[in-house]
Amino acid sequence: QVQLVQSGGEVKKPGASVKVSCKASGYTVTSNGISWVRQAPGQGLEWMGWISADNDNTNYAQKFQGRVTMTTETYTNTAYMELRSLRSDDTAVYYCAREEATVFHGLDVWGQGTTVTVSS
Amino acid sequence: QSVLTQPPSASGTPGQRVTISCSGSRSNIGSSPVNWYQRLPGTAPKLLVYTNNQRPSGVPDRFSGSKSGTSASLAISGLQSDDEADYFCAAWDDSLTGWVFGGGTKLTVL
Repeated sequence: QVQLVQSGGEVKKPGASVKVSCKASGYTVTSNGISWVRQAPGQGLEWMGWISADNDNTNYAQKFQGRVTMTTETYTNTAYMELRSLRSDDTAVYYCAREEATVFHGLDVWGQGTTVTVSS
Repeated sequence: QSVLTQPPSASGTPGQRVTISCSGSRSNIGSSPVNWYQRLPGTAPKLLVYTNNQRPSGVPDRFSGSKSGTSASLAISGLQSDDEADYFCAAWDDSLTGWVFGGGTKLTVL
């Protein structure tokens, strides 16, 4: 069974960084791309960016360029999203999602979400 | 605020049919397939419909999707209490070169 399990909630101060992990099981993380999506309180879902299956390509939403880094780690079958220079409006639930591109184009399996709270 | 527009809420009684709409533009729904997701509180979103009207294995045929022009809709027939959840639509946006989502519709089964 394909599953993505994310790391636990984090509380950070403004200006700090957070690194969220997304461990894949039931498939190899390097066989599909991974997208990261967030949802701030009372807001809709927001796509942050994508890392390719081979870890060679990334495509970050313009809003996050320069502040976000997405990586994958083959030997632990885990994807990571690091967001730097945190602000209060980065408080959100962050999701990883597997990118399906053969049968259809979409995000077919999602992690359970990681709550990141930015507060002084 | 979301790129795709959904009604914030919908409701129905057990056994009824409800429809949730999702409106976009030429750069997203107008040029890309639409996928629908169900999210129960505190759980991972679950793919419900892909490529406008296809159901993944295991999703009951009570759930159906359609698309016309720059709008799409999700229909749920034979409403059950277990269907109480948030539903959101998603599509690739060619202008933004990224995924865009609806704001989500909270379905209440009365």
